[in-house]
Amino acid sequence: ELKVEQNPLFLSMQEGKNYTIYCNYSTTSDRLYWYRQDPGKSLESLFVLLSNGAVKQEGRLMASLDTKARLSTLHITAAVHDLSATYFCAVDGGGSNYKLTFGKGTLLTVNP
Amino acid sequence: NAGVMQNPRHLVRRRGQEARLRCSPMKGHSHVYWYRQLPEEGLKFMVYLQKENIIDESGMPKERFSAEFPKEGPSILRIQQVVRGDSAAYFCASSPSTGTYEQYFGPGTRLTVT
Repeated sequence: ELKVEQNPLFLSMQEGKNYTIYCNYSTTSDRLYWYRQDPGKSLESLFVLLSNGAVKQEGRLMASLDTKARLSTLHITAAVHDLSATYFCAVDGGGSNYKLTFGKGTLLTVNP
Repeated sequence: NAGVMQNPRHLVRRRGQEARLRCSPMKGHSHVYWYRQLPEEGLKFMVYLQKENIIDESGMPKERFSAEFPKEGPSILRIQQVVRGDSAAYFCASSPSTGTYEQYFGPGTRLTVT
């Protein structure tokens, strides 16, 4: 069974601090997705990582992928309150199987 | 280009009633995925459909749930005889064609069973 494990599940940060969310997965698929979800809202795609060593950055968020370790990280730099949300990582089934298996999500709260 | 549309956005049903959730994919998209977000279980895949075909329904509960994506019109997720445990947010996502990994999510339908 495909498993995706995120940690931490809850993260309370102060503004201006840095932190990393970790995502371990068990599948051989190496397509890794990061999403953001605000309360009561849909999922916003942040990053899609497609190959070993891939690194993508958008603003204060940077995602990376290590396919050998089956590990992705989402690094938050100098957090601001607007980043407060739940962050999900997901992997698909590989090959032509694109159905997503999600981690449980990390609820990020950035405090002033 | 309008995004993925779902309706209704909120749906309240009494136990034993039927719920019909609709998903209109983005223009030109012929693949639809349904996911369910339960409060304590996170997001789970339910079913993957192409026009007139169910490709993968491995995540669908065996009873009471069905899905279709007709040649014309939206995809429909149907839940018969709803129970309180069906209360959740149901999201659909669409993608353009085979071989495309990107899925675009709709706003979701929040089903409450009273």
